[in-house]
Amino acid sequence: SQKIEQNSEALNIQEGKTATLTCNYTNYSPAYLQWYRQDPGRGPVFLLLIRENEKEKRKERLKVTFDTTLKQSLFHITASQPADSATYLCALVYTGTASKLTFGTGTRLQVTL
Amino acid sequence: GAVVSQHPSWVICKSGTSVKIECRSLDFQATTMFWYRQFPKQSLMLMATSNEGSKATYEQGVEKDKFLINHASLTLSTLTVTSAHPEDSSFYICSISFGTAGTEAFFGQGTRLTVV
Repeated sequence: SQKIEQNSEALNIQEGKTATLTCNYTNYSPAYLQWYRQDPGRGPVFLLLIRENEKEKRKERLKVTFDTTLKQSLFHITASQPADSATYLCALVYTGTASKLTFGTGTRLQVTL
Repeated sequence: GAVVSQHPSWVICKSGTSVKIECRSLDFQATTMFWYRQFPKQSLMLMATSNEGSKATYEQGVEKDKFLINHASLTLSTLTVTSAHPEDSSFYICSISFGTAGTEAFFGQGTRLTVV
């Protein structure tokens, strides 16, 4: 079965630095890969989507890459701020699955002053 | 985007009782809604796909007789946890999407269920 792993359970970085989160999957590549932010006790909020034929996507301070050869997506937050502290989830969508999301384990990011 | 509202935000119930959780799409008619469960420090696990006017599709390992889903209208899906037990204590979240494959999902704020 498909296994999705995100790097360390927790990542601590200093304000202003770039945070890099990884999402690795086994087996077959998804048609789409999405990244979400989840704050404690809340539902996830969509951040970015990248398609299997795309290498990179950007949105303001966010950047996501997708390497189907490595079966990996990287999620970058540049000039990180304490307000970026949250859990970040990657989610895979496969063709023909009616938008069902398969979530990764999540990485809890803590940005300190 | 779409606004999804869940009710209640939290609920405490006694073991053996049933609890109903509502998921409403406030500004979009959703033919499909998704129900997830999230245990502490774990990721979201899809429980079932709720289809308006028809039976829900459950993921492997999810008991359909225990987790009853009703999607009676295009704006409301309900999840009823029947004969709840402490192991059912979890964070339940619903979501919708606009239907086109791969498009973003919009999530409710979640319902924290505690069974005592």
